[in-house]
Amino acid sequence: QQQVKQSPQSLIVQKGGISIINCAYENTAFDYFPWYQQFPGKGPALLIAIRPDVSEKKEGRFTISFNKSAKQFSLHIMDSQPGDSATYFCAARHNSNYQLIWGAGTKLIIKP
Amino acid sequence: DVKVTQSSRYLVKRTGEKVFLECVQDMDHENMFWYRQDPGLGLRLIYFSYDVKMKEKGDIPEGYSVSREKKERFSLILESASTNQTSMYLCASSRGAKNIQYFGAGTRLSVL
Repeated sequence: QQQVKQSPQSLIVQKGGISIINCAYENTAFDYFPWYQQFPGKGPALLIAIRPDVSEKKEGRFTISFNKSAKQFSLHIMDSQPGDSATYFCAARHNSNYQLIWGAGTKLIIKP
Repeated sequence: DVKVTQSSRYLVKRTGEKVFLECVQDMDHENMFWYRQDPGLGLRLIYFSYDVKMKEKGDIPEGYSVSREKKERFSLILESASTNQTSMYLCASSRGAKNIQYFGAGTRLSVL
């Protein structure tokens, strides 16, 4: 019930294509859904986040789509670039103890 | 600019050794976290702390302990290192309930 399930584990996309990473959760006590981006040799860094009262949030080429009834949210990277190659983690914050529950991560490779 | 510094990028230790991983943040954050990152398993929380002298077990505390004597410093201790503790260790800090976590670059620990 505390899990956040992330898919796929790895993804290869051609330059210019759309990268889509999906996450699903079961616990309705989550109130904030961030995505983190991790480059090799670095720690994860906050990329974009959404609250459950919003269905979509866009920042540049990155968009989060949120489906509250389905308990799913996804990250879309438009016009994917080789510089977007990284590992992406979704997470969900519990509304009582504010702990982050993490997805397992997706390794994204953008082919030139 | 936000900074979380982990004392070592790479560490090689022998089985049975006592290992100290140090983390310092300069953002006056109350919350500090230790994770380990393994391929396919994502980020797993070892221990966290919401205040000086305070510590809470995360999901995988066995074989680890922590110390937080000062607000800016959070240490992870492996009392007797074992080969299954070979991993990437990430430290993070955050402020308050919003819990936007800022990560260090990680320490890659090899236990031989």
